[in-house]
Amino acid sequence: DGGITQSPKYLFRKEGQNVTLSCEQNLNHDAMYWYRQDPGQGLRLIYYSQIVNDFQKGDIAEGYSVSREKKESFPLTVTSAQKNPTAFYLCASRRTGQGSMNTEAFFGQGTRLTVV
Amino acid sequence: SQQGEEDPQALSIQEGENATMNCSYKTSINNLQWYRQNSGRGLVHLILIRSNEREKHSGRLRVTLDTSKKSSSLLITASRAADTASYFCATDRVFGNEKLTFGTGTRLTIIP
Repeated sequence: DGGITQSPKYLFRKEGQNVTLSCEQNLNHDAMYWYRQDPGQGLRLIYYSQIVNDFQKGDIAEGYSVSREKKESFPLTVTSAQKNPTAFYLCASRRTGQGSMNTEAFFGQGTRLTVV
Repeated sequence: SQQGEEDPQALSIQEGENATMNCSYKTSINNLQWYRQNSGRGLVHLILIRSNEREKHSGRLRVTLDTSKKSSSLLITASRAADTASYFCATDRVFGNEKLTFGTGTRLTIIP
């Protein structure tokens, strides 16, 4: 089945540790996104990538890092520099085409990260 | 920064009534999209309206776009208990380089 998969669903991290969240898609989409959602809040953009080997900071990139070595994969690392990492993380992908032809985004089911 | 702001933040209505939620945004856009999120899940796309369109329908959904006021509305007619969810607007800005920015969301509760 075509889709976008995030793993793990739940993740616990000790303070001071880096953790990596996985996001894989088999939809052949060029663009991929990472969002953070806090309880009762909207989605805030962390990083996005328009194409392999390229990515841009979103609105809240500090304390996070990403890579885009393959079209299918866009892992997010939450570093120890992120002071308040407990949140729900959502990955998305979509087909893009010169701004006005951009399409809808497909989302994974999310990873809930808790710092213990 | 949040591009979109939904209004109201929360809405409770009786089953069968219509639900209207609004989205305002700040900069010129190529298109505006509405998404739905059930609690603790990923978002699901509902409808996309391009900047040169004024109204669009999909089943019980009706979306309007007023680019002069930088606002959009989502109308859900004949609401059902299963429509209980959070609803978000998202915008593709002109010169935004495929950056997709979401609003703060409206929490809709349908009372059976």
